[in-house]
Amino acid sequence: QSVLTQPPSASGTPGQRVTISCSGSSSNIGSNYVYWYQQLPGTAPRLLIYKNNQRPSGVPDRFSGSKSGTSASLAISGLRSEDEADYHCAAWDDSLRGNVFGTGTKVTVL
Amino acid sequence: QVQLQESGPGLVKPSQTLSLTCTVSGGSISSGSSFWSWIRQPAGKGLEWIGRIYNGGSTNYNPSLKSRVTISVDTSKNQLSLKLSSVTAADTAVYYCARGAEYSAWGLDYWGQGTLVTVSS
Repeated sequence: QSVLTQPPSASGTPGQRVTISCSGSSSNIGSNYVYWYQQLPGTAPRLLIYKNNQRPSGVPDRFSGSKSGTSASLAISGLRSEDEADYHCAAWDDSLRGNVFGTGTKVTVL
Repeated sequence: QVQLQESGPGLVKPSQTLSLTCTVSGGSISSGSSFWSWIRQPAGKGLEWIGRIYNGGSTNYNPSLKSRVTISVDTSKNQLSLKLSSVTAADTAVYYCARGAEYSAWGLDYWGQGTLVTVSS
C-alpha cells in the first residue's frame, strides 16, 4: 500500500554511480520535502537526505538527492561495498494527512 | 546523543491489543522542536508509517490504521507509547519508534533498534 514508487532493485560495481528514483504525486512529492533513508541489513533505517537534497552531519557527500515535480532521485557516486542496503524515500502527503514511504530499493554492489 | 529503545511483548494473540513503549534518553520528549513517530516493517517488506505525536498531544495517524491506533506520551517517564487494537497476523512486523526534528525539516533523525511483534495464537 506504499504511495511512493521505487524500483525494487539497483546495482553497480565499486566506483560506479547508481541512481534510484521515487515517483509520487502532487499531494506528496509535488508539494512537500522528500527524505531518503538507508537501511543496512538487520538494522534500523538511518536518515540519509532531508529537505530534498540536504545531508545530515556524517553522511558522505557521495550521496545526493534531487527533486523535480512529482519525482525525486537519490544518487550514489563512487559506489562502495558498504553502500549495499535498502533505500527508502518518504514524504508528507497532504491528502492523507500522513507520512508516506516508498516501496524500497535494494542496492547491490557487484 | 538521543537514544530510543522500544519494549513490549514479542507475541500478541489475534484480536488482542498490541502495546509498545519507547523510552527516550539524551533528550526531552517534551521538546517543541521534535515530534515522535511509530513506523513498522513486515519481514521482507517496506516501511509503513503508523502515526506521530507532537506539541504534547496532537496526533496524526495512518488512515488505514486510524480506527485501531492510539499514540501517547508520558512526559514524566520520557516515554512514547503505541496501542494497536484488534490485531491480526497482518500486524506482525518490526516496530520502530523515531524522532522527527525541526533542524532536519522533520526528517526522522533518530530511530530505535526496533522490536519484533508476532501476532499468533
